[in-house]
Amino acid sequence: DAGITQSPRYKITETGRQVTLMCHQTWSHSYMFWYRQDLGHGLRLIYYSAAADITDKGEVPDGYVVSRSKTENFPLTLESATRSQTSVYFCASSPGAGGLQETQYFGPGTRLLVL
Amino acid sequence: GDSVTQMEGPVTLSEEAFLTINCTYTATGYPSLFWYVQYPGEGLQLLLKATKADDKGSNKGFEATYRKETTSFHLEKGSVQVSDSAVYFCALTPSSGGYSTLTFGKGTMLLVSP
Repeated sequence: DAGITQSPRYKITETGRQVTLMCHQTWSHSYMFWYRQDLGHGLRLIYYSAAADITDKGEVPDGYVVSRSKTENFPLTLESATRSQTSVYFCASSPGAGGLQETQYFGPGTRLLVL
Repeated sequence: GDSVTQMEGPVTLSEEAFLTINCTYTATGYPSLFWYVQYPGEGLQLLLKATKADDKGSNKGFEATYRKETTSFHLEKGSVQVSDSAVYFCALTPSSGGYSTLTFGKGTMLLVSP
């Protein structure tokens, strides 16, 4: 099906482990984003990407790594998970044609618990 | 930097009541303004948007008017339904040239009872 998907939907891991969250979109959108959602903070941008092999930091990038070798995929890796990274993670994409009014399309989210 | 402030929730209403969720912003120039909605267990989806002063965005009975003079973008609906229960996020992109990322408010939960 067309759209934006995330996997896994739920993940439990332990402190210090590496975790990779996957994001895949079928629209060939140029821009992709990773957010985390926490109570009292709303959504905060972790990283974004304007195209394959182009990534940039958002508001809260520490402890996260991203890559974008293909337009349709934008994995987010927690290199050494910490309890403070327990959160709901959302991936989003947009056409990014250059206008200021670009709509972002969100995936269903990944709920991550770090023990 | 840019910021968005929303009223704290939850907002609790009975079905068919009038809804207002306040949103004010701080930004230079003329940002574009958005309302996103998040239904339980789902990702966010765009509800409406406005790109210049005095524009009115509307969708599914919801409306919001871009007020430059009060730096506000309040969300309204004349008659809410139980199915409107969700978290609503106000957001902006700044007016600088080129592509800009979204800045979100913290979200307002709406609970509608029958």
